[in-house]
Amino acid sequence: GESVGLHLPTLSVQEGDNSIINCAYSNSASDYFIWYKQESGKGPQFIIDIRSNMDKRQGQRVTVLLNKTVKHLSLQIAATQPGDSAVYFCAEIEGDDKIIFGKGTRLHILP
Amino acid sequence: NAGVTQTPKFQVLKTGQSMTLQCAQDMNHEYMSWYRQDPGMGLRLIHYSVGAGITDQGEVPNGYNVSRSTTEDFPLRLLSAAPSQTSVYFCASSPGPFNEKLFFGSGTQLSVL
Repeated sequence: GESVGLHLPTLSVQEGDNSIINCAYSNSASDYFIWYKQESGKGPQFIIDIRSNMDKRQGQRVTVLLNKTVKHLSLQIAATQPGDSAVYFCAEIEGDDKIIFGKGTRLHILP
Repeated sequence: NAGVTQTPKFQVLKTGQSMTLQCAQDMNHEYMSWYRQDPGMGLRLIHYSVGAGITDQGEVPNGYNVSRSTTEDFPLRLLSAAPSQTSVYFCASSPGPFNEKLFFGSGTQLSVL
């Protein structure tokens, strides 16, 4: 079946270092991908998105990379800060109404 | 703008009780949806609406009803609560289309005993 998964359930990163969070997807028909950040006790928050006709998109301190050949998505956070501590999950969308969310990776910032 | 507002934040029900989770958004978004979030699982879509008067089922609709009488409000009704419905529920809206750039509420933690 189709699935969106994350390679690591927990990622610990030193403050100031770059973080890389990975996501694998299996539906080659997915044409739109989103990364969300969820802080404890809050709802998910949109971070960045990318369409399947792109392989890279940059935002403020974040970059999303899409490798359609191996069906892999990654979120890079530059100069990780304590406020980046959260669960990050990806979502893949096919067409207008089919969305699958990944289970999430918890990012832990080490002082 | 308050964004997406959900009430209540916490709720405890007994098996068989009914209740309504409220969701309102003030961003004039056409698309609204309800998700449940369970440990070890991704968000799962319960019901969604692409505009006032229009609703449709998502991945896990059983045991839940929705209505969309106005653009702003999208309540989720549990008809007869079951322990399997213990979860955190999130309402979301989007300027559209559909699932793009969802704005989520802060969630309702529901326990069914």
